[in-house]
Amino acid sequence: QKEVEQNSGPLSVPEGAIASLNCTYSDRVSQSFFWYRQYSGKSPELIMSIYSNGDKEDGRFTAQLNKASQYVSLLIRDSQPSDSATYLCAVNSISGTYKYIFGTGTRLKVLA
Amino acid sequence: DAEITQSPRHKITETGRQVTLACHQTWNHNNMFWYRQDLGHGLRLIHYSYGVQDTNKGEVSDGYSVSRSNTEDLPLTLESAASSQTSVYFCASSAQRQETQYFGPGTRLLVL
Repeated sequence: QKEVEQNSGPLSVPEGAIASLNCTYSDRVSQSFFWYRQYSGKSPELIMSIYSNGDKEDGRFTAQLNKASQYVSLLIRDSQPSDSATYLCAVNSISGTYKYIFGTGTRLKVLA
Repeated sequence: DAEITQSPRHKITETGRQVTLACHQTWNHNNMFWYRQDLGHGLRLIHYSYGVQDTNKGEVSDGYSVSRSNTEDLPLTLESAASSQTSVYFCASSAQRQETQYFGPGTRLLVL
């Protein structure tokens, strides 16, 4: 089992719709959770970080964390074509040595 | 403005040659990381450092080495380049181990 799993997509949504991106992780002692956006040919950039169970909102983005289910998600409201990118989930675990593990990413396509 | 830079941005080399990729950050971050990114594998950690003179192996460290002689720089050396090391390499840094990582622009390496 991969430590951080994401559906590779592509996930296609129409412009203006809500895009829902999901991520599961295997290490129960994980403490920090991050969503990065990566445009083709560019480096990853942080969108959201979340540390506690529940929802965290920032503009059109909402991160949701459920530690009991080992699940973190990212909702993008009013999706725009400029949101088309690969979204990487990252989990910071403290089991053994500190590890910052990335999922393979979900490719999102927002159709105009 | 503080930033993280990588050089060269593109590199073509031959099998068996030694190659060094530079990473320089001006945030004064203690933590620095090297990743490689390949289709289907996402970001994989090569080496990381939590401070000057500290270096640690990541999940794909074979054939790579790093040294940390100051806070700002973490060069990555491929001792004897192999075609399997053709990839995009990203350097990242963070202020705290569990916090956001900031990525450099990446280096595209082709080993012929």
